[in-house]
Amino acid sequence: AQSVTQPDIHITVSEGASLELRCNYSYGATPYLFWYVQSPGQGLQLLLKYFSGDTLVQGIKGFEAEFKRSQSSFNLRKPSVHWSDAAEYFCAVGGNEKLTFGTGTRLTIIP
Amino acid sequence: SAVISQKPSRDICQRGTSLTIQCQVDSQVTMMFWYRQQPGQSLTLIATANQGSEATYESGFVIDKFPISRPNLTFSTLTVSNMSPEDSSIYLCSVPGRLLTDTQYFGPGTRLTVL
Repeated sequence: AQSVTQPDIHITVSEGASLELRCNYSYGATPYLFWYVQSPGQGLQLLLKYFSGDTLVQGIKGFEAEFKRSQSSFNLRKPSVHWSDAAEYFCAVGGNEKLTFGTGTRLTIIP
Repeated sequence: SAVISQKPSRDICQRGTSLTIQCQVDSQVTMMFWYRQQPGQSLTLIATANQGSEATYESGFVIDKFPISRPNLTFSTLTVSNMSPEDSSIYLCSVPGRLLTDTQYFGPGTRLTVL
């Protein structure tokens, strides 16, 4: 069975600081991995995805994620966060017909 | 990616009543998914709705509580029946991307509060 763990429930960073959100997955085959963002009162927006090839993937809004098979991880990073990045972030594994989500990480940005 | 709309965007309902949520997609899709996101929680799949057949429910969800309709390839409804405060959640519909390596695309969600 596929599963996703996001060990950090809540992270607070200063505006302009770097960010890394952790995601670990369990999947029987080559995983398809995704990061979504959910802003307050909004639906889910896809930030980026990995399914093969280069293990460092670029997404929208300046985010990137690195797939590390040896660590079963797919951590999300951003070099410099903006106040508008405050949101809930979900890591997911699966594909277009079955997605399993992590429990999410709430990101707070302080001035 | 598909454009998905949901109605209503939010509602406040009384215990024991039912609410029907609509999901409209701008293109024809075979499968549609309904998720529940309880306060502070992640997304949990309720059911998969295929046009022309009964919905497939995940463990812990039953048709009597969450009846689903799928009258055509661009529309689906989810009804939350005999509501209790525990049903207060965000309900989201989604559709699959075209490729297996693709993801799902989500509607904006319906925020339901049951008093």
